[in-house]
Order: sequence, then C-alpha cells, then structure tokens
Amino acid sequence: DAGVTQSPTHLIKTRGQHVTLRCSPISGHKSVSWYQQVLGQGPQFIFQYYEKEERGRGNFPDRFSARQFPNYSSELNVNALLLGDSALYLCASSLAGENSPLHFGNGTRLTVT
Amino acid sequence: RKEVEQDPGPFNVPEGATVAFNCTYSNSASQSFFWYRQDCRKEPKLLMSVYSSGNEDGRFTAQLNRASQYISLLIRDSKLSDSATYLCVVNRGRYSSASKIIFGSGTRLSIRP
Repeated sequence: DAGVTQSPTHLIKTRGQHVTLRCSPISGHKSVSWYQQVLGQGPQFIFQYYEKEERGRGNFPDRFSARQFPNYSSELNVNALLLGDSALYLCASSLAGENSPLHFGNGTRLTVT
Repeated sequence: RKEVEQDPGPFNVPEGATVAFNCTYSNSASQSFFWYRQDCRKEPKLLMSVYSSGNEDGRFTAQLNRASQYISLLIRDSKLSDSATYLCVVNRGRYSSASKIIFGSGTRLSIRP
C-alpha cells in the first residue's frame, strides 16, 4: 500500500511569492494534518482537516491556508512568502479518533530566497 | 513556557545501556500521547502510543503520569540503531471538536559502540 505522498519534494521560491503544497493520505485515512519543521525543532502544528472540515489550527498567520478535497487529499497554501517560511513541511494522515497515530509523508523542503 | 517540553539532550550512552527520557505537558485537557522517532533528515515515525496504564513494546516502555502531567520513555539494552531524535507528541482534542497536536522539540540520542 502506498504511504502518504507529498509533492513537490523540494521547492525554491522568492519572497512575496505564493506556494501550494500537496498531500495524498494513506487509503482509508480521512484526516490530514500539516506541520512546519525548522532545523533543530520539533514539527509545529499548522492545520488539521477531517472529512473536509478544519478541526484544528495552530498559531500561524492568515497567510497560511489549507483545504481537504472529497478524495481526502489536501493542499497547503502559503501567500506572501517570507524568508522565515523556509522549512520542511510535513503532511500526516490518520484514521478517525484522537488515539490514531500519525503517518507522515517525506515532506516538502521549501526554501525562500 | 512551551506547552510540551523535552530535554533536548544530546544523550550519549554506550551500547547496551538503559536510557530514559521525560516529557512534560502543561495542558491538563490533553487527550492522547505518543512517542515518535525521527532520523536525520527523515520524517517522524511512530514509535509507540502511550496508554494510561503504561505499555511496553520489546525494549521500549512508555508511561503516562496524568497527575504530574508527564510521559516517559525507557529504552533498555540500547542498540546503535536507536540513535535518533525522540519526539513527544500530545493531542489536545477530539475529532468532534477542535484538535491540536503538539510536538516537543525532541531529545537527541546517540548510542556509541
């Protein structure tokens, strides 16, 4: 079975641009969550979606938005990129229920210059 | 103060040693708890869930102390392959309401021959 897939794997953007990151969950998983990880830190929670509805939001500015599609795949959008947005962006999928573990994709490494 | 705190380490121990990590959380409404491991430049992978009664998986033992608001991870007979960063994860919600998934910053473990 395919795991969580994320695209693209690497991305280089300039300040002020917009970026869209994509994530396909494990088949049967209805929840997708997004994280930002900078070097030396744990992943920081950005959003969680379940059944196409936002279920949780971390402390990120409104430049960050996301959505989940009927097939449970998801997109993370970041507008007006800043240098500080450079990070590894991880997507995770899980079954329903708060005790369900997260299964991560390989991440998208975003560099903003 | 961070909502989930871990000793960043690094812990440098000889092969065969027993090592223990703690993780404290500040929000008493936290619902579920996990330990993940992350190898360098890789995505986090579930090590084990943490149950109220404590649980064991081979050389790994996890415990939860709700009264003192901490979880622990014990690794016995450590192997070279245990070298990684260990992330404590707290889920502060249920899927029927707002959910928030908090990662600690991670504890680095290095096992030496």
